[in-house]
Amino acid sequence: ETGVTQTPRHLVMGMTNKKSLKCEQHLGHNAMYWYKQSAKKPLELMFVYSLEERVENNSVPSRFSPECPNSSHLFLHLHTLQPEDSALYLCASSQDGRGGNIQYFGAGTRLSVL
Amino acid sequence: TQLLEQSPQFLSIQEGENLTVYCNSSSVFSSLQWYRQEPGEGPVLLVTVVTGGEVKKLKRLTFQFGDARKDSSLHITAAQTGDTGLYLCAGATTSGTYKYIFGTGTRLKVLA
Repeated sequence: ETGVTQTPRHLVMGMTNKKSLKCEQHLGHNAMYWYKQSAKKPLELMFVYSLEERVENNSVPSRFSPECPNSSHLFLHLHTLQPEDSALYLCASSQDGRGGNIQYFGAGTRLSVL
Repeated sequence: TQLLEQSPQFLSIQEGENLTVYCNSSSVFSSLQWYRQEPGEGPVLLVTVVTGGEVKKLKRLTFQFGDARKDSSLHITAAQTGDTGLYLCAGATTSGTYKYIFGTGTRLKVLA
């Protein structure tokens, strides 16, 4: 148990569906992250929030929409996804957003887009 | 573009053998982290190295940060089946921004 909880653990959706991934951290951290993990590719940083403000957006398509209502919760809203978006989506948190801080990862949401 | 290349990509060894995994880059990092990820789970931090030339030991695992802070290695002595997993290195940029660059990963399987 890392203190970072992601739901759902598995999600299957069609290309026209709208769904959301949820992440909650119980560590009192101020920074939260979304990563995409695909087979045979390094972890890709998607979004970073620090104190509920988005501070990094790595050219992610607009069909992925993050939301951080408070420092403990992070959402990733999905709509009109493509099959190539199928991957493991990982959430992480750290004390603050500075490089070098320890990141604690959730178990991930395995997403399949049909 | 900063890249971290790990080698080997895949490694299958017998229990009791030793192994070394490498993490190389042409970029300098302010610190470097090693993670292990098991199937169905997220990465779990093993160690953080900060100083060039630093060596850290975690039981049978020895981590080294290169003198120039561009590369790192992970050595496992007398591997056990519980060491099986995906090993990831991650470098923190020196710019003070919010980026962690992850390596390509080494998938280790230790056979009984």
